[in-house]
Amino acid sequence: GAGVSQSPSNKVTEKGKDVELRCDPISGHTALYWYRQSLGQGLEFLIYFQGNSAPDKSGLPSDRFSAERTGGSVSTLTIQRTQQEDSAVYLCASSPRLKSLLAGGNNEQFFGPGTRLTVL
Amino acid sequence: QQQVKQSPQSLIVQKGGISIINCAYENTAFDYFPWYQQFPGKGPALLIAIRPDVSEKKEGRFTISFNKSAKQFSLHIMDSQPGDSATYFCAAKDSNYQLIWGAGTKLIIKP
Repeated sequence: GAGVSQSPSNKVTEKGKDVELRCDPISGHTALYWYRQSLGQGLEFLIYFQGNSAPDKSGLPSDRFSAERTGGSVSTLTIQRTQQEDSAVYLCASSPRLKSLLAGGNNEQFFGPGTRLTVL
Repeated sequence: QQQVKQSPQSLIVQKGGISIINCAYENTAFDYFPWYQQFPGKGPALLIAIRPDVSEKKEGRFTISFNKSAKQFSLHIMDSQPGDSATYFCAAKDSNYQLIWGAGTKLIIKP
């Protein structure tokens, strides 16, 4: 079946402009995550959506960053007034419905290919 | 408390050798420990995972060793191949079903 898709694959923008990055999770997955990965670095958690619960925004680095998830499916990450330090690959991941450990649940995250953002 | 410390940052291994990457954690509430593999230009993908009630899990050439008392776990890649060259991330699942990620290890297998 189709995996997680992200668009655009590459985005070049000028400092100060706003950008929107899109994530289409795997159908039926209730959890959706956004991460940022700077060149050669690890995964920096940004935001987490789980079903209809309030999102966990604890990883957003500033109020210029926001994200929405409409209808429990597609998500958009918006960066306002972009800065050069925002240049990175933005990864989206989705997970199936939560299950308890007793039910054999884990938290496998299925990642998209990422959007490479370059702020000039 | 929530950190997962991964080492080394980079690793070069000869083809056919054993690659070993280590991770350590503090939070005893973590209950699931996956390793993800990331190739350039791709998102990470689950490679192998272990629960804390077992000490070792093997899948083909990949083995996780888990030491609960030391709060450490490691990935061993036997007979390393050039196609194994990638960045490897360890992670740990917390009680909120979130994954806490290590910083990653860039592995290069020399032919």
